[in-house]
Amino acid sequence: KAGVTQTPRYLIKTRGQQVTLSCSPISGHRSVSWYQQTPGQGLQFLFEYFSETQRNKGNFPGRFSGRQFSNSRSEMNVSTLELGDSALYLCASSLFGDGNEAFFGQGTRLTVV
Amino acid sequence: AQSVSQHNHHVILSEAASLELGCNYSYGGTVNLFWYVQYPGQHLQLLLKYFSGDPLVKGIKGFEAEFIKSKFSFNLRKPSVQWSDTAEYFCAVNSLKRAGNMLTFGGGTRLMVKP
Repeated sequence: KAGVTQTPRYLIKTRGQQVTLSCSPISGHRSVSWYQQTPGQGLQFLFEYFSETQRNKGNFPGRFSGRQFSNSRSEMNVSTLELGDSALYLCASSLFGDGNEAFFGQGTRLTVV
Repeated sequence: AQSVSQHNHHVILSEAASLELGCNYSYGGTVNLFWYVQYPGQHLQLLLKYFSGDPLVKGIKGFEAEFIKSKFSFNLRKPSVQWSDTAEYFCAVNSLKRAGNMLTFGGGTRLMVKP
């Protein structure tokens, strides 16, 4: 079956702009999580959505937001981009329930210039 | 604060050498534990997981890990590494105190295997 699909794969944006990243989970998976990966901070949890509701949230400013649609697809949005937002953004999907393994997509590489 | 520590940031081994990567976590209560691998240019893939039961778990590609509850550790091992094991390895923890799926990752260990 198809894995987690993230689009676009690469993105270059200018400081101050906003960006929307998209994620299609594995069919049947209802939990979608987002992570930021940077060389300095490693992998950090952004938020998790389940049944169109944010279930968990990491320690990121309000400029980072997300949503989930009824088909479990998810988007994350970053407004007023800063240079420090340059990172690999990873989406992961899991079955419903708690503490399940996460299946990761290839990620979206965001560069802010 | 809850955290996951991986002791080695960089490891260089020759082929056929044995591997052990350390992972310690600071969580109270029940946790699910994972090791993920990221090969160059590829996405994060699950190597193995521990939910409950036998503390020695076997994963893909000959990897295994041992959960030692008293030491809050979940070390990854492989008896004989291959050049193709060159990758970055991440330990991750999901606390079951909170509903949902939220992984806390260690800082990662870059493994280079010399042919």
